[in-house]
Amino acid sequence: SQQGEEDPQALSIQEGENATMNCSYKTSINNLQWYRQNSGRGLVHLILIRSNEREKHSGRLRVTLDTSKKSSSLLITASRAADTASYFCATDNSGGYQKVTFGTGTKLQVIP
Amino acid sequence: ETGVTQTPRHLVMGMTNKKSLKCEQHLGHNAMYWYKQSAKKPLELMFVYSLEERVENNSVPSRFSPECPNSSHLFLHLHTLQPEDSALYLCASSQDTRTSGNTIYFGEGSWLTVV
Repeated sequence: SQQGEEDPQALSIQEGENATMNCSYKTSINNLQWYRQNSGRGLVHLILIRSNEREKHSGRLRVTLDTSKKSSSLLITASRAADTASYFCATDNSGGYQKVTFGTGTKLQVIP
Repeated sequence: ETGVTQTPRHLVMGMTNKKSLKCEQHLGHNAMYWYKQSAKKPLELMFVYSLEERVENNSVPSRFSPECPNSSHLFLHLHTLQPEDSALYLCASSQDTRTSGNTIYFGEGSWLTVV
């Protein structure tokens, strides 16, 4: 299956600390995206990194991509209680049409 | 507000009932999707529509029947469901399915409980 697998499954940190989540996938990709889901709500797009990029920043988010290891990481710096959510990586295959598949997510809890 | 609206937000139905989930997107997108999210499982892609044509049906049981009357509306008709079908059903849209790297916009989901 093409889907990414996030690690760890759950992460609990204190407010102000950094949170790092990892994603591994199995086959070559065009892009990798990270999404966030607040409890019981829809997913919201955070950031996209293309296969020819190694690092990307957006505000307090930093994403890295290592295509040789088929892995990506999402770093949230100076975490806030409002960052509490599940985070998913989504891989974009190179088939005839865009097919985006998701993993099981990392559940992040930021304790005030 | 993501521009994708799902109704109802919560639905409880018996195994012999027939109900429908509705999705509407206000983003001018050409592609729409149904995903199923169950506890501790990856998000499952159920159906993909591109310009009202179904381009993917991921081995979904026939008790789930999608309908896409136009590029802005998507329905999921439900009949004779099983308790294991209880889940969060997410509708989503993207600009199209032919361009890699499209952002997918999700609705808030419809919580379905089958009793």
